[in-house]
Amino acid sequence: DTGVSQDPRHKITKRGQNVTFRCDPISEHNRLYWYRQTLGQGPEFLTYFQNEAQLEKSRLLSDRFSAERPKGSFSTLEIQRTEQGDSAMYLCASSTGTDSYEQYFGPGTRLTVT
Amino acid sequence: AQSVTQLGSHVSVSEGALVLLRCNYSSSVPPYLFWYVQYPNQGLQLLLKYTSAATLVKGINGFEAEFKKSETSFHLTKPSAHMSDAAEYFCALDSWGKLQFGAGTQVVVTP
Repeated sequence: DTGVSQDPRHKITKRGQNVTFRCDPISEHNRLYWYRQTLGQGPEFLTYFQNEAQLEKSRLLSDRFSAERPKGSFSTLEIQRTEQGDSAMYLCASSTGTDSYEQYFGPGTRLTVT
Repeated sequence: AQSVTQLGSHVSVSEGALVLLRCNYSSSVPPYLFWYVQYPNQGLQLLLKYTSAATLVKGINGFEAEFKKSETSFHLTKPSAHMSDAAEYFCALDSWGKLQFGAGTQVVVTP
């Protein structure tokens, strides 16, 4: 039974560079979510997909952020022209979309922008 | 508006003592509520969930929570703390398919 996986686990980048994170959900889950968590805070919703369709984007998701889920399987989150304020833990979760919306989280990708 | 408030950002308990973490919510619809635990540098693990069935919900690792509509609360308890319970705990509310989290409560367990 494989859970949600994320790659990489840690990423250090210089301000202005682009970064891309990957999330592989639990195989039978058709919903995939991205959250951002800064130090000392709870996770904040960024966006989610139902299969390959991106259904909602938070106002937190600036134009520098883009997410995709081609073929409704894995998802990528790209941040262009990174800023120091982008430093955070990026969490991915998946769910069946039913079963009381229970979401299963991956280990996260910790991004540090220097 | 949907919101979650966790009272107390840090809680210190002695090993063997009661753990009580407080969560209050605001919701315009009957809520689905969750408690998650996060260990350092890891993702979130679901402890338990309330989905409008029984108001007393039992979860993993000996934790339970009681939904009280009149108090808009969903407090998390464990009768006897263990050293392995040291972690951060988040209360969350389902908000039209996405989770809205409280700010978290850091639990420290002392011998």
